[in-house]
Amino acid sequence: AQSVTQPDIHITVSEGASLELRCNYSYGATPYLFWYVQSPGQGLQLLLKYFSGDTLVQGIKGFEAEFKRSQSSFNLRKPSVHWSDAAEYFCAVAEAGNMLTFGGGTRLMVKP
Amino acid sequence: ETGVTQTPRHLVMGMTNKKSLKCEQHLGHNAMYWYKQSAKKPLELMFVYNFKEQTENNSVPSRFSPECPNSSHLFLHLHTLQPEDSALYLCASSQGRPGYTEAFFGQGTRLTVV
Repeated sequence: AQSVTQPDIHITVSEGASLELRCNYSYGATPYLFWYVQSPGQGLQLLLKYFSGDTLVQGIKGFEAEFKRSQSSFNLRKPSVHWSDAAEYFCAVAEAGNMLTFGGGTRLMVKP
Repeated sequence: ETGVTQTPRHLVMGMTNKKSLKCEQHLGHNAMYWYKQSAKKPLELMFVYNFKEQTENNSVPSRFSPECPNSSHLFLHLHTLQPEDSALYLCASSQGRPGYTEAFFGQGTRLTVV
């Protein structure tokens, strides 16, 4: 069965610093991969997705993620974090035809 | 107007009450989903509907009863809930075959069972 691991429950970065959120998945073939963001009291908003093709995908709000098959990873990055990026971030994976499986989430805090 | 709208945003109910959560999507999608988000637990898929037909029931207790009258509307009927059912209930929709495309989420209903 597919599974998703986000090793970092909390991360704190300074405003303007770079960010990398880790995501590892367990699945034999190439899955569909997603990153969502959730602000307090809100639903989930899609940041980016990977289905096939270029392994570096660009998303909204200046985020990008890189699919690395050899490491079964899909880490989310941003070169310069803004205070408004403080939120919870969820990685999700779907085998073709199966439903989304979410990781436990990483809560990002941004220091001024 | 957001793509997926959930009402109410907050709900407090007693264990003997009956209430319903409503979800409406304005995106023309064919699939709709209910997810449960509890503190310190990953999002859990509850139900999936595709073209009004239920295609997935993730071993959800019968005190949760979904209804999908058309592809734009999804309900979750609640009765005799337990305190551990308190959570954020998220509705989502997607276009195409469920599992092949990204889901768009509503803002959720924060449910508290007292």
